[in-house]
Parts: sequence; structure tokens; C-alpha cells
Amino acid sequence: DAGVTQSPTHLIKTRGQHVTLRCSPISGHKSVSWYQQVLGQGPQFIFQYYEKEERGRGNFPDRFSARQFPNYSSELNVNALLLGDSALYLCASSLRRGVHTDTQYFGPGTRLTVL
Amino acid sequence: DQQVKQNSPSLSVQEGRISILNCDYTNSMFDYFLWYKKYPAEGPTFLISISSIKDKNEDGRFTVFLNKSAKHLSLHIVPSQPGDSAVYFCAAPGNQGGKLIFGQGTELSVKP
Repeated sequence: DAGVTQSPTHLIKTRGQHVTLRCSPISGHKSVSWYQQVLGQGPQFIFQYYEKEERGRGNFPDRFSARQFPNYSSELNVNALLLGDSALYLCASSLRRGVHTDTQYFGPGTRLTVL
Repeated sequence: DQQVKQNSPSLSVQEGRISILNCDYTNSMFDYFLWYKKYPAEGPTFLISISSIKDKNEDGRFTVFLNKSAKHLSLHIVPSQPGDSAVYFCAAPGNQGGKLIFGQGTELSVKP
């Protein structure tokens, strides 16, 4: 079975631009969460989507948005990019929503560099 | 507000010896904890977890200990192997479904 996949692997953008990152969860998983990891820190929660609806949101500005599609894949959109948005963006999938013992499985991430 | 803290950014251990990675938390409502391992250019991989109703959970070479009164957990790796060299994160589920709160990570280096 394929794990969580993310695209693209790397991305370079300039300040003010917009970016879309994509994630495909493990087959059968309905929950997708997005995290931002900056160098030297642990991943920070951005969003959770379950059954195509936003179920949780971290402390990120409105420039960050996401959606989930009927096949449970997801997109993360970031508008008006800032230098501080440079980070590794991780997607994680799990079977259900809100069940602590449901392991979150992470994709390899998308490395975003904002110049 | 860092609810999960790993105060040691790095740890170096000789192959075959024990590695002990530490994690502290501030929220007494946390009832489940996880450890993830991360290699460069890969996403975090789930390693082991523990429920707050237990004080120890073991899986092969990996054991996690939980001390609720001290709000402290630790991951023991015995014996350590060079392939264990990675960044280790402890995490706890937040109050929103699907949210994990991570510590800053500890980079473990196991030297042959």
C-alpha cells in the first residue's frame, strides 16, 4: 500500500506569490492534517480536514487555506507569501477524526523556499 | 506557549549503549503521548505511544516511560544502533481532533 504522498517535493517562490501544495492520504484514510515545520522546531499544526470539512485550525493567518476533495486528497494554499513562510510543509493522514489512538502517518513533505 | 518541551537539542551515544531522550509537558489534561522519528528528507515516522493509564510501554528495543506526577516522559533505546540516528519528537494530541502538539525535537547521533 502506498503511504502518504505529497507534491511537489521542493518549491521556490518569491514574496507576494501564491502557492498550492498537494497531499494524497493513505487509501481508506479520511482525515488529513497539515503541519508547518521550520528549522530547529517541531511541526506546528495548521489544519485538519475530515469528510471535506475543516475540523480544526491552528494559529495561522487567513493567508493559509485548505480544502479536501471527495477522494480525500487535500490542497494547502498560501497567499501573499512572506519570507517567514519558508518551511517544510507536512501532510498527515489518519483513519478517523478525533481519535487519539489513530496514528497519524506523515508524508515526506514539501520544502518551500520563499525568496 | 510550549506545552511539550524537549530541552536537549542533541544527544550523542556510542553504538550498543542506551539512548535516553526526555520530554516534559505542561498540560495535565494530556492523556496520550507519542514518539516520532524523523530522518532527513523524510516525514516523521510513528515509533511508539503510551496512554496516561500506563507508566511504561515497550516495543522491541524501544521503551517509553511516563511519570505523570512530574509531567515527564522518556524514550529508552537499548541497544542503540547507528541506524537510530535521527531527530526524535515527542507529541501529544491537542484539544482539536487531528492536532498533534510536538516538542522541538532531539537529534540523536549513534556512533559506531
